[in-house]
Amino acid sequence: SQQGEEDPQALSIQEGENATMNCSYKTSINNLQWYRQNSGRGLVHLILIRSNEREKHSGRLRVTLDTSKKSSSLLITASRAADTASYFCATDPDYKLSFGAGTTVTVRA
Amino acid sequence: KAGVTQTPRYLIKTRGQQVTLSCSPISGHRSVSWYQQTPGQGLQFLFEYFSETQRNKGNFPGRFSGRQFSNSRSEMNVSTLELGDSALYLCASSPWTSGGAGETQYFGPGTRLLVL
Repeated sequence: SQQGEEDPQALSIQEGENATMNCSYKTSINNLQWYRQNSGRGLVHLILIRSNEREKHSGRLRVTLDTSKKSSSLLITASRAADTASYFCATDPDYKLSFGAGTTVTVRA
Repeated sequence: KAGVTQTPRYLIKTRGQQVTLSCSPISGHRSVSWYQQTPGQGLQFLFEYFSETQRNKGNFPGRFSGRQFSNSRSEMNVSTLELGDSALYLCASSPWTSGGAGETQYFGPGTRLLVL
């Protein structure tokens, strides 16, 4: 079963716009990670946020975590065509990564 | 450092056959995990190995098995293939230096298996 669920399932934006996607999870966590996958390839780690952190930045990425609501959000600012991909949140109950269904982001030129 | 490598990249098998997939982790990484990705079920955890021992296993039938060698390379085997085993199989490694959960996983490009 999947621990995390992303919302929306799909997102289409214009280049230069911001993209926001959300992740909700079910059980308590030690940390939450976000990954990107380009067109059926391997996943690339984007950012990890620990349960005692509320916000984290990495380049054009901003992640927030609200453990009281069991939710996280990923914001990509000033999107580029290269950001077109599927984005997954992952939590690690019992030392194994549990992924959500993902948000597919399409950035239009 | 070289990334995680997986071989073969593509594979076509028929029902009833068995298949072995290989994964070489990043040098120095001791933990190797396997995941199955399908359009219907998404990304699902298969198992994780550390120092040649399986530490964790997902909810897959016994037809799915794996092992890890002393050099941390790992293989997974699927016996008696079914059509539903068609998927992208992803391997990931991590250094597991913290001794606990929460490490970044580094993924390979995957092996795409098609069962006819």
